Amino acid sequence: DTAVSQTPKYLVTQMGNDKSIKCEQNLGHDTMYWYKQDSKKFLKIMFSYNNKELIINETVPNRFSPKSPDKAHLNLHINSLELGDSAVYFCASSQAGRQETQYFGPGTRLLVL
Amino acid sequence: QQQVKQSPQSLIVQKGGISIINCAYENTAFDYFPWYQQFPGKGPALLIAIRPDVSEKKEGRFTISFNKSAKQFSLHIMDSQPGDSATYFCAAVKAAGNKLTFGGGTRVLVKP
Repeated sequence: DTAVSQTPKYLVTQMGNDKSIKCEQNLGHDTMYWYKQDSKKFLKIMFSYNNKELIINETVPNRFSPKSPDKAHLNLHINSLELGDSAVYFCASSQAGRQETQYFGPGTRLLVL
Repeated sequence: QQQVKQSPQSLIVQKGGISIINCAYENTAFDYFPWYQQFPGKGPALLIAIRPDVSEKKEGRFTISFNKSAKQFSLHIMDSQPGDSATYFCAAVKAAGNKLTFGGGTRVLVKP
């Protein structure tokens, strides 16, 4: 009965590889987000989707591509991984227009070697 | 450019003491101010939130104070407990926008 789930929980990979992180929410929310949390715990939004439509795209390298097959899923694909991509990536969701109340997933810890 | 500035970065409090975290914002278009709590290895979770037309909101041991003219708000954790040890984030949101802008976070450690 997990509200927002992410897979995998941990991801260790080599520089230059391509990887994907999956996110699913069963809350019936219309809006989903991807955040990056760096080693200093700073949380920064990357993308936001509302009903499968991209509405926020912060200054994120083109190597990061979100995909929303339906409003319950928002996946993140990362091409040509770099050392600086090492971070914790959080998926979150909210009701449309209720962005102050977001439900976060458990995070995916990405380590690029 | 950090739109929401949070201080201190870390805080150590004795059990039973008061933890105080302060935030300041620049954009007057922000109209909702939530606080999120994050335990190690977990995602952030909404703790308490306030609108700028209210000067104070209390939920259990957690109180938000809001000073609209100074563009500042703060979180007070009364009777702090070891289980409150976590990272706390203030945030701000514009109704017309679609994103939370987070402060830099405060790591709170409550010693028994």
